[in-house]
Amino acid sequence: DVKVTQSSRYLVKRTGEKVFLECVQDMDHENMFWYRQDPGLGLRLIYFSYDVKMKEKGDIPEGYSVSREKKERFSLILESASTNQTSMYLCASSFGGRALDTQYFGPGTRLTVL
Amino acid sequence: GQQLNQSPQSMFIQEGEDVSMNCTSSSIFNTWLWYKQDPGEGPVLLIALYKAGELTSNGRLTAQFGITRKDSFLNISASIPSDVGIYFCAGGNTGANSKLTFGKGITLSVRP
Repeated sequence: DVKVTQSSRYLVKRTGEKVFLECVQDMDHENMFWYRQDPGLGLRLIYFSYDVKMKEKGDIPEGYSVSREKKERFSLILESASTNQTSMYLCASSFGGRALDTQYFGPGTRLTVL
Repeated sequence: GQQLNQSPQSMFIQEGEDVSMNCTSSSIFNTWLWYKQDPGEGPVLLIALYKAGELTSNGRLTAQFGITRKDSFLNISASIPSDVGIYFCAGGNTGANSKLTFGKGITLSVRP
């Protein structure tokens, strides 16, 4: 079974803090993704990566950065957290090739910024 | 970014009933996926469809890839309380670095 893990299930941070969200997958997937999920807005893509050290902006990259130094790990960084970044953050990964589009999700990190 | 159309936002059914959901797009996709999300958890893949007209079942769930490639349907038969959750559709196109486009999800409630 594909396993995608996220470093924290719940996180509380203060405005202005630097926040790191970690995601690890154990299936040698090429692609990794970070989404945020808010009520009424669905899933919105923040950043994705299709290879080590490669990254692409998604639909809402502002206020975020990412790092992919190893194939299995994809980190989302909030340089200076703000209250409007309070949200559920979901990491996903997928193979390349024919099954490219089938993404497998982690359990999510619920971040609260005070 | 583009989103797929899923409506209504919420559905309420009685235990034992069947329920159908559909998902529509203005764009063509060559992959359709259905996910379910339980409260406080990440979405879990239910069914993946890769061919127009394809009909695939997973237990009490059946999904179809529309022949126009612009829609997909999910049916749940004989609903049970654990079917409660948010059901998302997603469309994708195979290719380098392709992404998924998601619907906003339908929240399903099942009355015992």
